[in-house]
Amino acid sequence: EDQVTQSPEALRLQEGESSSLNCSYTVSGLRGLFWYRQDPGKGPEFLFTLYSAGEEKEKERLKATLTKKESFLHITAPKPEDSATYLCAVQAQETSGSRLTFGEGTQLTVNP
Amino acid sequence: NAGVTQTPKFQVLKTGQSMTLQCAQDMNHEYMSWYRQDPGMGLRLIHYSVGAGITDQGEVPNGYNVSRSTTEDFPLRLLSAAPSQTSVYFCASTWWPKLGGEKLFFGSGTQLSVL
Repeated sequence: EDQVTQSPEALRLQEGESSSLNCSYTVSGLRGLFWYRQDPGKGPEFLFTLYSAGEEKEKERLKATLTKKESFLHITAPKPEDSATYLCAVQAQETSGSRLTFGEGTQLTVNP
Repeated sequence: NAGVTQTPKFQVLKTGQSMTLQCAQDMNHEYMSWYRQDPGMGLRLIHYSVGAGITDQGEVPNGYNVSRSTTEDFPLRLLSAAPSQTSVYFCASTWWPKLGGEKLFFGSGTQLSVL
């Protein structure tokens, strides 16, 4: 059974204070690992897809990395508008394009 | 493009009532899916479809039915609502290019309460 564990559950940062969110996973052959951002009352918004260990992707202040057991979402010099819940999900190789297993998320708050 | 549109945004039902959550996408995606989101449990897959006329069960399908008569629409039916179905429901469509880089696009959700 595929599993995704995210830590910490919640994280409070001061504006400009860099940090990392963790996503540990077990899957029977990884097809892809996804990061999403979710704002209150809204649906998840796509951030990144990572496919193989060693891969990195960046978008503005966010950088996602992948190893064989976990992924990190690094947030550099965050701003209050980065406050959101960040979701990690995995897709196994034998599944179709809609079947993701999600973690519970990390709720990030960035104070000005 | 409107993306993925879900209606209604909020709904209150009594135990035993039935209803249909609507989902429509205008991106011509073949893959669509329904997830529910509960506190402490993350998003869980209910049903999914790989194209018109083809549906399959996800992780938590009991109490729900789906059909896919067109590429655009993927309604979710609650046959006899139960309090355990109180949740936030998200519909998603998947852009899946042949060379990889697939993305799920989510709707804004339906908050359902079953009393």
